[in-house]
Amino acid sequence: GAGVSQTPSNKVTEKGKYVELRCDPISGHTALYWYRQSLGQGPEFLIYFQGTGAADDSGLPNDRFFAVRPEGSVSTLKIQRTERGDSAVYLCASSLLPGQGYEQYFGPGTRLTVT
Amino acid sequence: RKEVEQDPGPFNVPEGATVAFNCTYSNSASQSFFWYRQDCRKEPKLLMSVYSSGNEDGRFTAQLNRASQYISLLIRDSKLSDSATYLCVVNVARSYIPTFGRGTSLIVHP
Repeated sequence: GAGVSQTPSNKVTEKGKYVELRCDPISGHTALYWYRQSLGQGPEFLIYFQGTGAADDSGLPNDRFFAVRPEGSVSTLKIQRTERGDSAVYLCASSLLPGQGYEQYFGPGTRLTVT
Repeated sequence: RKEVEQDPGPFNVPEGATVAFNCTYSNSASQSFFWYRQDCRKEPKLLMSVYSSGNEDGRFTAQLNRASQYISLLIRDSKLSDSATYLCVVNVARSYIPTFGRGTSLIVHP
């Protein structure tokens, strides 16, 4: 079956611009996570959705970052006034249910470069 | 101190070798543990869960030591295709948010 998909695969933008990154989770998965991964580091948690609501957004670094999941499926991560330090791979993952016993399935990521 | 710590390596081993990685965690309330594998420029994929009694999947063995707060991954008879980064993942009790280590890089050479 179809896995988690993310678009675009690569995004180059200028400092100060706005970007949107999209995640399409596995059908039927209620939990959706966004992570950010820099070179040589593990994925860093940003935000977690249970259904349509953001259950935990404690990982968002500042108010330039925002994410939505209006219909409980596709999610969009939005970054305003991008900075060079935002350059990273943004990973999305979904799981059937939230909770510790459930495997997370990752998408291929969006590589964001801010120039 | 970081919540989850791993030696970044790289571990450079010949084919057929046995190699082991450790991952330490700081929160004693940690409840579930996993190893994920990440190939270069690819997404992480679950390799195996780590159970209290230890578990084995083919050439891979995972163990948990709660007293010393670490988990380990043992790979026997290493293959070239085992070359990847191995990420340790820890969940604290009653939290839905996993914490990833920075990963340990393994390079298996002929």
